[in-house]
Amino acid sequence: AQKITQTQPGMFVQEKEAVTLDCTYDTSDPSYGLFWYKQPSSGEMIFLIYQGSYDQQNATEGRYSLNFQKARKSANLVISASQLGDSAMYFCAMRAVFFGNEKLTFGTGTRLTIIP
Amino acid sequence: DAGVTQSPTHLIKTRGQQVTLRCSPKSGHDTVSWYQQALGQGPQFIFQYYEEEERQRGNFPDRFSGHQFPNYSSELNVNALLLGDSALYLCASSPNKAPTYNEQFFGPGTRLTVL
Repeated sequence: AQKITQTQPGMFVQEKEAVTLDCTYDTSDPSYGLFWYKQPSSGEMIFLIYQGSYDQQNATEGRYSLNFQKARKSANLVISASQLGDSAMYFCAMRAVFFGNEKLTFGTGTRLTIIP
Repeated sequence: DAGVTQSPTHLIKTRGQQVTLRCSPKSGHDTVSWYQQALGQGPQFIFQYYEEEERQRGNFPDRFSGHQFPNYSSELNVNALLLGDSALYLCASSPNKAPTYNEQFFGPGTRLTVL
């Protein structure tokens, strides 16, 4: 079974500062992928970044980077130079990598609020 | 290029009724998954459809059923609605080809309220 833990229910960050959202996971699958999604109040889940368990480098996508520490089973999201539009719910999720598997397991999310 | 679309946006039903939600996948995607997101929770996987068949299923009762059409669009049906079925229902689509394991896109969701 897979489990995602997000221990920060809410965070307040000053605009233009960097922010780290924590995510730890547990799985017995040998190959897996880790995802971060942003969910604004409108409800749509917006894909931000992906990290494969065998990727050698940490993933980066613009202002988003994923701090992947496999031995610690952590996959923290770092947002640099935060903007007001970053205020939203953020979900960490994982999926075992095998053909035909589409099931994502999500954490409970972190509500990020950017303060002007 | 249209993304994942869902209809309706909002829906209000009463206990015991039946409901059908619809999803059209992103262009080029042939696999559709459905998730239920209760208030204050992360989404929970309901099931996945590929080639018009249910390929994977989460821990949901048989009251939850689905269908996929030849054009890859999909329906989620819920029978005998309970108050606890009130949630945001999200559809996600992906292409069934490796190694695009990072490509799963979500629609805007249908918010179902059961009274």
